[in-house]
Amino acid sequence: GESVGLHLPTLSVQEGDNSIINCAYSNSASDYFIWYKQESGKGPQFIIDIRSNMDKRQGQRVTVLLNKTVKHLSLQIAATQPGDSAVYFCAENIRSSGSARQLTFGSGTQLTVLP
Amino acid sequence: DVKVTQSSRYLVKRTGEKVFLECVQDMDHENMFWYRQDPGLGLRLIYFSYDVKMKEKGDIPEGYSVSREKKERFSLILESASTNQTSMYLCASNRGQPDEKLFFGSGTQLSVL
Repeated sequence: GESVGLHLPTLSVQEGDNSIINCAYSNSASDYFIWYKQESGKGPQFIIDIRSNMDKRQGQRVTVLLNKTVKHLSLQIAATQPGDSAVYFCAENIRSSGSARQLTFGSGTQLTVLP
Repeated sequence: DVKVTQSSRYLVKRTGEKVFLECVQDMDHENMFWYRQDPGLGLRLIYFSYDVKMKEKGDIPEGYSVSREKKERFSLILESASTNQTSMYLCASNRGQPDEKLFFGSGTQLSVL
């Protein structure tokens, strides 16, 4: 079946470096994508989202890139800090019922920031 | 800030027990969701609700039911808990299109012995 996947389950980066977390999706009809951060013992927190009519969106220290041609999504974190250590999930909308979008999540990437 | 509150952080239940997981949101959101999170599997949707007394099955509804009697409250019910329902359960809500981002609670870690 179609699903959202990740290229790497773990990623380690040096503090101060930029991080890039990748995500592949398979549903070409998806038009909304979202990134979440989940710290240990907490629920996922929204980071940034993007609609399919955009290729790039920037937030504070984060950028999401969408390549619809190859169905690839990436999250870039600039100047990675220790507080960025967490599991990062991408999600896409698969189908909707009324106003309730059903997001499908990938399995997550564990980002570890090394001192 | 939106607050989604799950009633219990940790629960331990025995096989065959009826289990209630409660979730309350304080932002008048239309939609509420229950996910379970297992290592390596990400978040999987169990049920969701787009209005009071309305519910729809997600990807893994078997063994679960839900109740939404009030807009702010969405309950997940395990009719007869089994060991394979040991998991982290996450409640979420959103306003609905065009504002689709989900706001999550902190989760309930349920252990079924």
